[in-house]
Amino acid sequence: GESVGLHLPTLSVQEGDNSIINCAYSNSASDYFIWYKQESGKGPQFIIDIRSNMDKRQGQRVTVLLNKTVKHLSLQIAATQPGDSAVYFCAEKTAGNKLTFGGGTRVLVKP
Amino acid sequence: GAGVSQSPSNKVTEKGKDVELRCDPISGHTALYWYRQRLGQGLEFLIYFQGNSAPDKSGLPSDRFSAERTGESVSTLTIQRTQQEDSAVYLCASSLDRADEKLFFGSGTQLSVL
Repeated sequence: GESVGLHLPTLSVQEGDNSIINCAYSNSASDYFIWYKQESGKGPQFIIDIRSNMDKRQGQRVTVLLNKTVKHLSLQIAATQPGDSAVYFCAEKTAGNKLTFGGGTRVLVKP
Repeated sequence: GAGVSQSPSNKVTEKGKDVELRCDPISGHTALYWYRQRLGQGLEFLIYFQGNSAPDKSGLPSDRFSAERTGESVSTLTIQRTQQEDSAVYLCASSLDRADEKLFFGSGTQLSVL
């Protein structure tokens, strides 16, 4: 069935280092993917998105990579800061324009 | 409004009681979504509105759950005869229209059923 999953439930990273958060998806027909950041007690906030006709998209300090061959999505955060500590979710657009979310990865930034 | 607004932010209720959760989407957004997030879990789709109609309510867990939307604006999620397993954060999101995949989320309602 359709599913979006994550490899690492928790990622500890030193402040200033780069973070990589991985996500696997199973629906090869998905044509849109999105990353959200959720801080404690808040709703998810949009970070970056990518369509399936692209392999890479860059934002401010963030890059999303899409590998359709292995159905893998990753979010890279450059020079990780304490404010980046949060749970990160990937999601794919499934039938009916519905976003199906993965289980989330917690990023802890160590000073 | 400036963002998606949900109320109450926290709700504690006793098992068997009914609860109503409210969502005010961003002004002009025609699509509205409800998601449920259990502690430490991802987001679970519940229902989607386009205007005042709900073309997809496939995620509602049982007939105790219902939702409505009026005036293409405010939406209410109602849970009847609450159970302890209903305890979760209920998130509302809106988007400009059905074709717009980027959802804007509210801060959610933390529901605790004792």
